[in-house]
Amino acid sequence: DAGVIQSPRHEVTEMGQEVTLRCKPISGHNSLFWYRQTMMRGLELLIYFNNNVPIDDSGMPEDRFSAKMPNASFSTLKIQPSEPRDSAVYFCASSLASRLSEQYFGPGTRLTVT
Amino acid sequence: DAKTTQPNSMESNEEEPVHLPCNHSTISGTDYIHWYRQLPSQGPEYVIHGLTSNVNNRMASLAIAEDRKSSTLILHRATLRDAAVYYCILRDTQGGSEKLVFGKGTKLTVNP
Repeated sequence: DAGVIQSPRHEVTEMGQEVTLRCKPISGHNSLFWYRQTMMRGLELLIYFNNNVPIDDSGMPEDRFSAKMPNASFSTLKIQPSEPRDSAVYFCASSLASRLSEQYFGPGTRLTVT
Repeated sequence: DAKTTQPNSMESNEEEPVHLPCNHSTISGTDYIHWYRQLPSQGPEYVIHGLTSNVNNRMASLAIAEDRKSSTLILHRATLRDAAVYYCILRDTQGGSEKLVFGKGTKLTVNP
């Protein structure tokens, strides 16, 4: 299996622009997680889905952030408009319902907002 | 979420065992203990988890104190590739939550 796939790997954009991060979970996994990692705040859970349904979005910073999971093999995290403080590495992870303790992380998307 | 306390950093020599401690004095009966690690420039990686009994897998061993207020991740023979930040995390299973709350972890340096 290819593992969790994220794109793009790097994104540089200007403040005010819309940014869309993409994630393809491991085939057969039914839970998907979006995390953000910065030096200041460490690794934070933004939102997670179970069977394509958002379960907990309490970590989403504000209305500028939105996440969707239209099907079992694809999810997006959108930031509109982006701000410099959104600069971070964004990770997507997936897991099986029968093995909730084992989340498999993608390589991350490094976002820089100038 | 129940909290964990880990040393900020530890050092080890290659080929030697490493014992990474974690304190979780407020752990509840339904909390699972998880360990993840994050190698430089990579996403976190699952290592091991347990509830009450000690656990072994191909990567490591997890020793859980009898009162469950602390645990130790054991790498039996450290290699240079084990240099990473190791996170000890409690997950409350009572509500079926899948949330993992990462702390600052322990940065392990392995000397050749």
